[in-house]
Amino acid sequence: EAQVTQNPRYLITVTGKKLTVTCSQNMNHEYMSWYRQDPGLGLRQIYYSMNVEVTDKGDVPEGYKVSRKEKRNFPLILESPSPNQTSLYFCASRRTGATYNSPLHFGNGTRLTVT
Amino acid sequence: DAKTTQPNSMESNEEEPVHLPCNHSTISGTDYIHWYRQLPSQGPEYVIHGLTSNVNNRMASLAIAEDRKSSTLILHRATLRDAAVYYCILRDEDRDDKIIFGKGTRLHILP
Repeated sequence: EAQVTQNPRYLITVTGKKLTVTCSQNMNHEYMSWYRQDPGLGLRQIYYSMNVEVTDKGDVPEGYKVSRKEKRNFPLILESPSPNQTSLYFCASRRTGATYNSPLHFGNGTRLTVT
Repeated sequence: DAKTTQPNSMESNEEEPVHLPCNHSTISGTDYIHWYRQLPSQGPEYVIHGLTSNVNNRMASLAIAEDRKSSTLILHRATLRDAAVYYCILRDEDRDDKIIFGKGTRLHILP
């Protein structure tokens, strides 16, 4: 089944303790992206990647890192999490190239709480 | 970036048609109009997209105004499972890297 898989689904951590949220897709998509969703603010893009070893900042990249060493994986790294990074996070992927309007496929989300 | 404006929330009765509006007065000629929806406790899912002509698929219809400054997502017969947040977004065919979502419209379906 074609899907985007995020892990973990729920995570509670403390301020300053480094964490990684993994994202993997099995559709051979070139493009991957991370969003955060907060009440009243909608979905905001953190980082995106057009292909392997190519990443770029979205609208709210501060406090986050990403890497794209393999096509299928796009982990989100919080080196020193803070309470304002408590949020619901979504990973998404899509094809690029000739199918530039191909739809985004989203994971089921990771709910992160930083205390 | 071209932006979209949607009502914060709407209500509809079950088994009746629903028309969800979206204004995009600054749309450019290369922007496609996409709709996604987010069911409770799930990630957003693609619904439909179009450029100029009206579009139909198994989930919904998309009606695009002649001047393209607005569009309407039509659910022909709403069910309780259609209760979700619906997002209208614009995607530029020439620069499709940053894909920006707004706050969407929360659709309530009354039984």
